[in-house]
Amino acid sequence: DTEVTQTPKHLVMGMTNKKSLKCEQHMGHRAMYWYKQKAKKPPELMFVYSYEKLSINESVPSRFSPECPNSSLLNLHLHALQPEDSALYLCASSQDKSYNEQFFGPGTRLTVL
Amino acid sequence: DAKTTQPPSMDCAEGRAANLPCNHSTISGNEYVYWYRQIHSQGPQYIIHGLKNNETNEMASLIITEDRKSSTLILPHATLRDTAVYYCIVRVAGYGNKLVFGAGTILRVKS
Repeated sequence: DTEVTQTPKHLVMGMTNKKSLKCEQHMGHRAMYWYKQKAKKPPELMFVYSYEKLSINESVPSRFSPECPNSSLLNLHLHALQPEDSALYLCASSQDKSYNEQFFGPGTRLTVL
Repeated sequence: DAKTTQPPSMDCAEGRAANLPCNHSTISGNEYVYWYRQIHSQGPQYIIHGLKNNETNEMASLIITEDRKSSTLILPHATLRDTAVYYCIVRVAGYGNKLVFGAGTILRVKS
């Protein structure tokens, strides 16, 4: 299995809602990533997990809360988001954090009303 | 990390070779050149990487100039499904984590 899956594909939420994005891989990768991509812009790194521990937080606002419950799963908990947080959220994984060959999921298209 | 410069867009006829250039004049000796692409509404896809020798895999070839200041990604027989944004990234191998994507090149393959 060489796939990174993300659910849901689309999500619409209000500014007072709490929701979660889910990412899963079964390639035995030990590094997992969250990226944010605004329309017509390149992806930007948000978080890196290495061996289930948070390795990098790119100064992301606390309304985004990542979680890595095990080596195959990565969640992104969302709370009190703003309309400007509407974007495509991409998950990726790599063999470990020293590898630059990352496998990306299809993303979750988030709309904040 | 070295900065890269790519043309904003290119067109290619279906069945012909697509040659995508990338300038990285400030590249260091231990930095690799990585190429990713992103087809519309999908996540980025790793294509190939190299240090100084030319590389080839089932998807593409990577030609790096002798002075390593530029490189070219070659898709030998472009198809409509190769229409995508292509990103050239320079990064030290073994220090992963942070892929920094530039604006990339929009390649349009036309029939």
